[in-house]
Amino acid sequence: NAGVTQTPKFRVLKTGQSMTLLCAQDMNHEYMYWYRQDPGMGLRLIHYSVGEGTTAKGEVPDGYNVSRLKKQNFLLGLESAAPSQTSVYFCASSDPGRNWGYFGPGTRLLVL
Amino acid sequence: GIQVEQSPPDLILQEGANSTLRCNFSDSVNNLQWFHQNPWGQLINLFYIPSGTKQNGRLSATTVATERYSLLYISSSQTTDSGVYFCAVVGNYGGSQGNLIFGKGTKLSVKP
Repeated sequence: NAGVTQTPKFRVLKTGQSMTLLCAQDMNHEYMYWYRQDPGMGLRLIHYSVGEGTTAKGEVPDGYNVSRLKKQNFLLGLESAAPSQTSVYFCASSDPGRNWGYFGPGTRLLVL
Repeated sequence: GIQVEQSPPDLILQEGANSTLRCNFSDSVNNLQWFHQNPWGQLINLFYIPSGTKQNGRLSATTVATERYSLLYISSSQTTDSGVYFCAVVGNYGGSQGNLIFGKGTKLSVKP
């Protein structure tokens, strides 16, 4: 079991560029999440999904889009990157009613 | 939405000391988790504890759901315990269903 994997691990973007972060899990979990972590702010939920084909907004969804076309994958897109999106992005998956919150290693994104 | 507050925000301990970290939450929840983020950024799931008490080695956790708080106990602390400890809850109704909402964390530094 690889658990939760994230691609890429690190990326530098220029303002206005677009990119997609990929999250994959091999635990057959229904729920998947994207968080961002900024100094002093803890982890804030961007978007989440409670099953294949579903997505919902979290606390800070603006500037991001997501898709869950396959149960094992959850994609996070930045259409036009801004310096305020410089952060560490974590993906997580959960098995409802049991142990929640298996996290990927994170993606460090720097927007110049 | 649900508010999660952790205290203290920062804690410095001498190796071998004991500590108690607290998590208060504002509404009814159907899950509570404790995580440790190590100095390399990896988030590690410590406890799934919606109610009651659990122990794992030198760590134990207690959740009193009716009074909306949870406590994480660290005994005989070691330098490897350093990092940030997060509490996260899942709401059980409305817009909080499925959301794993984090507190801002307690930063623990254990000195040799």
